[in-house]
Amino acid sequence: NAGVTQTPKFRVLKTGQSMTLLCAQDMNHEYMYWYRQDPGMGLRLIHYSVGEGTTAKGEVPDGYNVSRLKKQNFLLGLESAAPSQTSVYFCASSYDRGGIGNQPQHFGDGTRLSIL
Amino acid sequence: DAKTTQPNSMESNEEEPVHLPCNHSTISGTDYIHWYRQLPSQGPEYVIHGLTSNVNNRMASLAIAEDRKSSTLILHRATLRDAAVYYCILRSFGGSNYKLTFGKGTLLTVNP
Repeated sequence: NAGVTQTPKFRVLKTGQSMTLLCAQDMNHEYMYWYRQDPGMGLRLIHYSVGEGTTAKGEVPDGYNVSRLKKQNFLLGLESAAPSQTSVYFCASSYDRGGIGNQPQHFGDGTRLSIL
Repeated sequence: DAKTTQPNSMESNEEEPVHLPCNHSTISGTDYIHWYRQLPSQGPEYVIHGLTSNVNNRMASLAIAEDRKSSTLILHRATLRDAAVYYCILRSFGGSNYKLTFGKGTLLTVNP
């Protein structure tokens, strides 16, 4: 049971380059999330999705776009990477329904992204 | 979001019990108490959650104060693998509260 899988695990980009981070889950979860974690700080929500074809902004959405074309995949895109986007990115999924809010989120192991 | 307060760090010895405290004096009646942990170079991992009653699972126990203004995560026999940052998070029932608000958590060191 793979759970939540993130690719790639590491990446170095130059300022202005674009890239897409892929998150895949095999638990048939409705909800998926993208967070970023910076040194000494907790995770911050970038974007999330409550179902296939829907996305919404989180706390820190600027500079990122997302897509949820298939239920099992959630893509995070950086159109023009900036050094401030150097971070560790975590994807998560959960089985929340109706905003119950008590279902745990399952996380991937992260993508470590450096932007020079 | 209601705020939680945890000690920055704690230390334990292997095979001894560990009690990790969390204060949440502004908790509302619809807030669940969640605990996650993050091992080095890994994503956060769900540990346990509860609303009012104490909870047990294979990983840990959660003791919730009667007034719900504090809770304690109990690891019954710490192992080296339990060394991690532990996060106490409040999550509301209902509405559109999708995010988990991670604070700085408690860094648990386990000594062999």
